Amino acid sequence: GAGVSQSPSNKVTEKGKDVELRCDPISGHTALYWYRQSLGQGLEFLIYFQGNSAPDKSGLPSDRFSAERTGGSVSTLTIQRTQQEDSAVYLCASSFTGTGGADTQYFGPGTRLTVL
Amino acid sequence: AQKITQTQPGMFVQEKEAVTLDCTYDTSDPSYGLFWYKQPSSGEMIFLIYQGSYDQQNATEGRYSLNFQKARKSANLVISASQLGDSAMYFCAMPRRGFQKLVFGTGTRLLVSP
Repeated sequence: GAGVSQSPSNKVTEKGKDVELRCDPISGHTALYWYRQSLGQGLEFLIYFQGNSAPDKSGLPSDRFSAERTGGSVSTLTIQRTQQEDSAVYLCASSFTGTGGADTQYFGPGTRLTVL
Repeated sequence: AQKITQTQPGMFVQEKEAVTLDCTYDTSDPSYGLFWYKQPSSGEMIFLIYQGSYDQQNATEGRYSLNFQKARKSANLVISASQLGDSAMYFCAMPRRGFQKLVFGTGTRLLVSP
């Protein structure tokens, strides 16, 4: 498809387990973003990748969260030792240049994570 | 730091009527942009419209238009001829100064009734 894809669409896990969330950006987009949407916190930025530059990890809430982007395309967000407060919808977005301004971010359908 | 405020938690409108969703922002940047996204119950954030602070005219995209009042720091979304499919959450967002991350408002839930 032409849009941003994410998998899985839903993930239920037990507290303490690790999870991996995948994002496949729009072809040709150099920038990729992860956001988290939860009831209490609204939409929060997590991490941003742009080309071969070092990622902006300033939004990651703890060192249990990490992300990588392989080959400038697919990204994986990993949450280790999940906690109940990690339950949220994780949204991935991509944009053409990642230079801000009018550079529009296009979002995927999200992964709903539930930690029991 | 940028701040986006959406003061309407919920709005109701009848089909075929127009509705305005409010968004005010706070920024010290001389140049900035504002985005509106729609999030239906399926969860995907759908880009609707963009307004740049130096754009001479208010942005329009089909039934969506922006009532951009720079002096009042407001960028209200106007949806004309509402349709049942317009029922969704609507978010106003701005890129944070010097960064590419978007800062979002808390959203407005729009319900369109027949």
